[in-house]
Amino acid sequence: GQNIDQPTEMTATEGAIVQINCTYQTSGFNGLFWYQQHAGEAPTFLSYNVLDGLEEKGRFSSFLSRSKGYSYLLLKELQMKDSASYLCAVRDSNYQLIWGAGTKLIIKP
Amino acid sequence: ETGVTQTPRHLVMGMTNKKSLKCEQHLGHNAMYWYKQSAKKPLELMFVYSLEERVENNSVPSRFSPECPNSSHLFLHLHTLQPEDSALYLCASSQELREPGLQFFGPGTRLTVL
Repeated sequence: GQNIDQPTEMTATEGAIVQINCTYQTSGFNGLFWYQQHAGEAPTFLSYNVLDGLEEKGRFSSFLSRSKGYSYLLLKELQMKDSASYLCAVRDSNYQLIWGAGTKLIIKP
Repeated sequence: ETGVTQTPRHLVMGMTNKKSLKCEQHLGHNAMYWYKQSAKKPLELMFVYSLEERVENNSVPSRFSPECPNSSHLFLHLHTLQPEDSALYLCASSQELREPGLQFFGPGTRLTVL
């Protein structure tokens, strides 16, 4: 079966750095997405990786290793507004998105 | 209005009621999706429409009935629901069904079935 694993919850301190991991087993691979979802709001796109390596976008970076079935989202200089759930999703060989259950990130002052 | 909108934002219904959820996208996209989001579970894809035709139905109970009258609007008709159907229902759209692009989500309808 297809599966996406990510931690259920993480806690970090304002101003610090946090890494959210995502491992996947899917039927084929056509890209990996990270979305951010604040409580009661729509998921919004953060990053997309289809080739191995690091994609940097401001305070957020996303890394992919296709051989290991592994990705991480790195958030730097954490702000209180970064408190949200972070969803990892992989597009399989049929271009269907397979979703993880999300990681709830709690930022403490 | 911009992006993807959903109404109502919150809905409480009894098991014998009939209600409908509405989704509208203002992005000119050709594909639309219904997802169910339950606490601590992955997003569950329910239905996919491409150019107003249903292309996917992931073993969803018949008490959920989708309707796509045009490429901008998507409905989810609900009848005789069960308490376990309580969840956040998200609508999304993308430019095309199979492409490297993104899915854009609406804010969801929080459904509670009593």
